[in-house]
Amino acid sequence: LAKTTQPISMDSYEGQEVNITCSHNNIATNDYITWYQQFPSQGPRFIIQGYKTKVTNEVASLFIPADRKSSTLSLPRVSLSDTAVYYCLVGFSGSARQLTFGSGTQLTVLP
Amino acid sequence: ETGVTQSPTHLIKTRGQQVTLRCSSQSGHNTVSWYQQALGQGPQFIFQYYREEENGRGNFPPRFSGLQFPNYSSELNVNALELDDSALYLCASRLAGDGTDTQYFGPGTRLTVL
Repeated sequence: LAKTTQPISMDSYEGQEVNITCSHNNIATNDYITWYQQFPSQGPRFIIQGYKTKVTNEVASLFIPADRKSSTLSLPRVSLSDTAVYYCLVGFSGSARQLTFGSGTQLTVLP
Repeated sequence: ETGVTQSPTHLIKTRGQQVTLRCSSQSGHNTVSWYQQALGQGPQFIFQYYREEENGRGNFPPRFSGLQFPNYSSELNVNALELDDSALYLCASRLAGDGTDTQYFGPGTRLTVL
């Protein structure tokens, strides 16, 4: 399983762009990179997924360099409601395709 | 909203009892996974069911068991409850064969073991 490393916590202010970087040095060729958001006592919510280069959707962008050993989740103009834990996940385990969650990054958006 | 529902929302049991948690998958999804999330930690994979068969299991003892029904709904059963089983239990569904790992989570069941 490709292990991920991401900052434990980050603080930002409303209206700023937030970038959360995740390291995954042993990513496999067929692994996707997926980011989830989780609010307290709720299930994780899919944010974005990518394989290489850049992916953008209505809520975030995901930047993946050519070597794919890291990725950066970019949240434009965050608001207080973006305060949550953000998980970076890579790949899957065998046929089960289980998701392996790390400790995540606690993002706190301040007024 | 992901379309994945779980019941009950909260549950309180005592040590040694048995519990059954239920999950209804998102329409069209044929695979369901269960996760345990202790306070302050990321979710931990329990097991996965595909077409009513368990096809993957994490590091959980046999007293954690499950079922998947023909309509792709699912149950998680835990026997001989222990205090450490207190956690948020999450189910997630996906469509196997879509080429990605995208799973859609339900809101979870908060289990408290006293």
